[in-house]
Amino acid sequence: GAVVSQHPSWVICKSGTSVKIECRSLDFQATTMFWYRQFPKQSLMLMATSNEGSKATYEQGVEKDKFLINHASLTLSTLTVTSAHPEDSSFYICSARDGTGRGDIQYFGAGTRLSVL
Amino acid sequence: GQSLEQPSEVTAVEGAIVQINCTYQTSGFYGLSWYQQHDGGAPTFLSYNGLDGLEETGRFSSFLSRSDSYGYLLLQELQMKDSASYFCATDPGNTGKLIFGQGTTLQVKP
Repeated sequence: GAVVSQHPSWVICKSGTSVKIECRSLDFQATTMFWYRQFPKQSLMLMATSNEGSKATYEQGVEKDKFLINHASLTLSTLTVTSAHPEDSSFYICSARDGTGRGDIQYFGAGTRLSVL
Repeated sequence: GQSLEQPSEVTAVEGAIVQINCTYQTSGFYGLSWYQQHDGGAPTFLSYNGLDGLEETGRFSSFLSRSDSYGYLLLQELQMKDSASYFCATDPGNTGKLIFGQGTTLQVKP
């Protein structure tokens, strides 16, 4: 199957700093990528849809100025958590859609565990 | 609203068969997917049902009944490594935006 690479896998930062997370599709082009957030023992919640060459679309309740998304190429999307606070500590996961167009089949990055002190 | 319901926990012994159910209520429906997630890891795709019936992939099978808004994942010949969380998911608008169930934690015991 397709491979999605996510970096870094773990980051610890001080409150008030910004953190950038990268998501790359390694062997296919992804015009659309998705960013999820997952709290411990909970499900994945979609935060936003990253669209190559255009603005991201955010789910209700997700602050777009807090979670900046850039999709500058067909293989790279970045999520920047700006002015991070302890409540932003979570597991962030990106995904890309299967090239066949079947939206239910997605390939996920390994995730980034963010801890804000 | 959109929701997918599945049991929170299931326990079974090695070698056994376990079934994880999922009922859904969504504005649109194209199919039901299943993902496996080990603790601290990424979700990995297991199976997809776009039509009613059974899909078999090795030890894992998935079933869908659109008329009942119901599906299940069947795991056979359970192994210790199958201990993980299992999520059913669907994409109501066929846009790639997946909605996940709350996940079922499967514990396989020796």
